[in-house]
Amino acid sequence: DTEVTQTPKHLVMGMTNKKSLKCEQHMGHRAMYWYKQKAKKPPELMFVYSYEKLSINESVPSRFSPECPNSSLLNLHLHALQPEDSALYLCASSAGTGGRYQPQHFGDGTRLSIL
Amino acid sequence: DQQVKQNSPSLSVQEGRISILNCDYTNSMFDYFLWYKKYPAEGPTFLISISSIKDKNEDGRFTVFLNKSAKHLSLHIVPSQPGDSAVYFCAAGVRGGSEKLVFGKGTKLTVNP
Repeated sequence: DTEVTQTPKHLVMGMTNKKSLKCEQHMGHRAMYWYKQKAKKPPELMFVYSYEKLSINESVPSRFSPECPNSSLLNLHLHALQPEDSALYLCASSAGTGGRYQPQHFGDGTRLSIL
Repeated sequence: DQQVKQNSPSLSVQEGRISILNCDYTNSMFDYFLWYKKYPAEGPTFLISISSIKDKNEDGRFTVFLNKSAKHLSLHIVPSQPGDSAVYFCAAGVRGGSEKLVFGKGTKLTVNP
């Protein structure tokens, strides 16, 4: 069982819809991440939150909007997505940033399909 | 520009034998390396890591070797079991800086009974 929980597991939405992906961890981790993974490709980093502040935005289009309400929760708000945004969206967390590297632990992802 | 490369898309081995998965990197700033295993419909699961100050790290059946001069690392699984069949991703990062991990494209391992 994964300790990073993502909801929903599957999401189908139209290009004009607004939806949100949710991620939760209760490991006391202070860094949280959003990745996008297309079929037969490696995960690609989108955003990093460190101590609830956005620390990395990998030039992600503004139709993706991350939010970190507290240290346990991470949301990804979606609006006006394109069909090419269909992918598996993975959330991850790690113990902290800087110094000794801590491995990232992943959730099972949300499979997103844009019609 | 692919900074982390896994040149073998797939590998097939017999149960009980050794599986060797390879990974090359180009960015000499990387100083921490990880292996993840991914089953279908699940997220990647952390397996084992190694920092650049070491050349070997072992955890049960899994051993990672790092050759810094060649910018090469490998994951050895001994003995291989059918449950090890999955996609294995190599990833690299820089300690003390951002938490960005760069992943290879993955190698699909099939362990045959």
